[in-house]
Amino acid sequence: DVVMTQSPLSLPVTPGQPASISCRSSQSLVHSDGNTYLTWFQQRPGQSPRRLIYKVSNRDSGVPDRFSGSGSGTYFTLKINRVEAEDVGVYYCMQGTHWPKTFGQGTKVEIK
Amino acid sequence: EVQLVESGGGLVQPGGSLRLSCEPSGLTISSHWMSWVRQSPGKGLEWVANIKEDGSEKYYADSVKGRFTISRDNAKNSLYLQMNSLRAEDTAVYYCGRDIFGGNDIWGQGTMVTVSS
Repeated sequence: DVVMTQSPLSLPVTPGQPASISCRSSQSLVHSDGNTYLTWFQQRPGQSPRRLIYKVSNRDSGVPDRFSGSGSGTYFTLKINRVEAEDVGVYYCMQGTHWPKTFGQGTKVEIK
Repeated sequence: EVQLVESGGGLVQPGGSLRLSCEPSGLTISSHWMSWVRQSPGKGLEWVANIKEDGSEKYYADSVKGRFTISRDNAKNSLYLQMNSLRAEDTAVYYCGRDIFGGNDIWGQGTMVTVSS
């Protein structure tokens, strides 16, 4: 199975400052169809997960443009340009290229 | 508003069975891959199973293979998860989702399954 490793696991941030979460996969996430199925989810406290980014860098509808995704192959990053209080929660990366699909451990973002 | 509503969770003894359902509103699932993802209390997300639009392909996590069965009834616009031989470690909130571009873009609110004697 593909192992997804996120870092850091805890991220205290100051409102208005940038934040970055990395996600590394144990093997390349490039699919035979040429796409890279790396997804980022946000889970606010007490809520269901919400997809933010799909195929590495595509923002879902309604997701603020302060969120961006980048990366390739086995190394990926989620960046929050200027953190806001509503960004508190746990962020997960997930690979959908190989079966079984696998999630990272999650990164807890909290306000300092 | 597009949403998914899970049902069927509850308390079951080890070795028992449950059938979860997922019913969409404002959405026809027949043209989409669908999935189940679970989250044990205080833990992270774990992918459980996926099913292709027409049900011809199904994939499972190793932890549930041979015990859980994902299915769909496109005529009823519904998704299911039959869970047999349940174990304590299956205790979790189970979410259904529409899988597009490799990940769920729509999630339900989840249904809690507790396996305990």
